[in-house]
Amino acid sequence: EVQLVESGGGLVQPGGSLRLSCEVGGFTFSSHWMSWLRQAPGKGLEWVANINQRGSEIYLVDSVEGRFTISRDDAKRSVYLYMNSLRAEDTAVYYCARAQYASFQDWGQGTLVTVSS
Amino acid sequence: QSALTQPPSASGSPGQSVTISCTGTGSDVGGHYHVSWYQQFPGKAPKLMIYEVSKRPSGVPDRFSGSKSGNTASLTVSGLQAEDEADYYCSSLAGGNKYVFGTGTKVTVL
Repeated sequence: EVQLVESGGGLVQPGGSLRLSCEVGGFTFSSHWMSWLRQAPGKGLEWVANINQRGSEIYLVDSVEGRFTISRDDAKRSVYLYMNSLRAEDTAVYYCARAQYASFQDWGQGTLVTVSS
Repeated sequence: QSALTQPPSASGSPGQSVTISCTGTGSDVGGHYHVSWYQQFPGKAPKLMIYEVSKRPSGVPDRFSGSKSGNTASLTVSGLQAEDEADYYCSSLAGGNKYVFGTGTKVTVL
């Protein structure tokens, strides 16, 4: 059974930083692109970041370029989202997902990030 | 990257069909076959229902089907059931290996 478990969310002040983690199981982690997506309260889904199997290709939505980055650790079967210079508009539930065929095949349960003073 | 356009709501009676549209541009929906659809219940994570325009992952009922014409993709739910009441989102590969989602459609079973 595929499992993705996010952690690291919480309350952070504007301008602060946070690292989200996603530990996976049930599939060959090293063979898959991984993604982070988010959903602001009461709003729709937004793709945030992708990373390829070797970590050599990273893509970010324009609104987080220069502030967020994504990385992975195959030994720990984990993918991370590093978020800096956080803004109120970054408040959302953040999901990690296994990507395949240019779609998001499996999702974690999400972790809530709240940016507020 | 501008969000893809979906109708805010759609509805149908049990047993009927409902079709949700997803309109983009030639740079996303119209440019390739990497369009996918997701079902989301309140407070839950989304679930993949359709990928590559019309393919169903294992376990998704064949009542769910996808298609595309030009810059508009569509999701059809045939034989509507009460358990299909949820929010539905489309997504497309956009330029530069980036992705864009639709605005979302709330499906109500009357």
